[in-house]
Amino acid sequence: SQQGEEDPQALSIQEGENATMNCSYKTSINNLQWYRQNSGRGLVHLILIRSNEREKHSGRLRVTLDTSKKSSSLLITASRAADTASYFCATVFSNTGKLIFGQGTTLQVKP
Amino acid sequence: ETGVTQSPTHLIKTRGQQVTLRCSSQSGHNTVSWYQQALGQGPQFIFQYYREEENGRGNFPPRFSGLQFPNYSSELNVNALELDDSALYLCASSLLENTEAFFGQGTRLTVV
Repeated sequence: SQQGEEDPQALSIQEGENATMNCSYKTSINNLQWYRQNSGRGLVHLILIRSNEREKHSGRLRVTLDTSKKSSSLLITASRAADTASYFCATVFSNTGKLIFGQGTTLQVKP
Repeated sequence: ETGVTQSPTHLIKTRGQQVTLRCSSQSGHNTVSWYQQALGQGPQFIFQYYREEENGRGNFPPRFSGLQFPNYSSELNVNALELDDSALYLCASSLLENTEAFFGQGTRLTVV
């Protein structure tokens, strides 16, 4: 079964706007990761945030983690058409690398 | 490119048949995991291999089995295929202590 839920399921924005996706999970975690998937191909790792971290940045990506609310958000700033993809959060319970994925958010960035 | 390669890229099988999917891990990675992704869903963890031993399994029946070889390449075998096995099968390699996973492009399996 899926560990978490992502919100919204689908998001459509104009190029240059910011996109925010949220992820909620159910149990305590070791870390939380975000992945991108283009058109049913392989997943690309975007960012990993550990349970003792609250915020992390990577280029145009900003991830926050609130362990008290069991939630995370991914912000993509100044979006580009090339950011069009599905985005998944995945939780890890221990240092085993077993990823439990959410349902994903489909992002469409219109030129 | 992640350095993880999967073969074949597409496959069509008949219900009841058996299938073997292959994965070549990224150099230096001793852990490989397999995931099943149905259309419109997130990937579901099937199992993980670490140094040729199964190191955890998801909620999949025994007809899903795997192997990891000394060179850390891996196979996923599915027996007695069912229509619901139609999905994208993803292989991911990682270092156990660094849980960032590197995914292959997947094998699209269609069972008819």
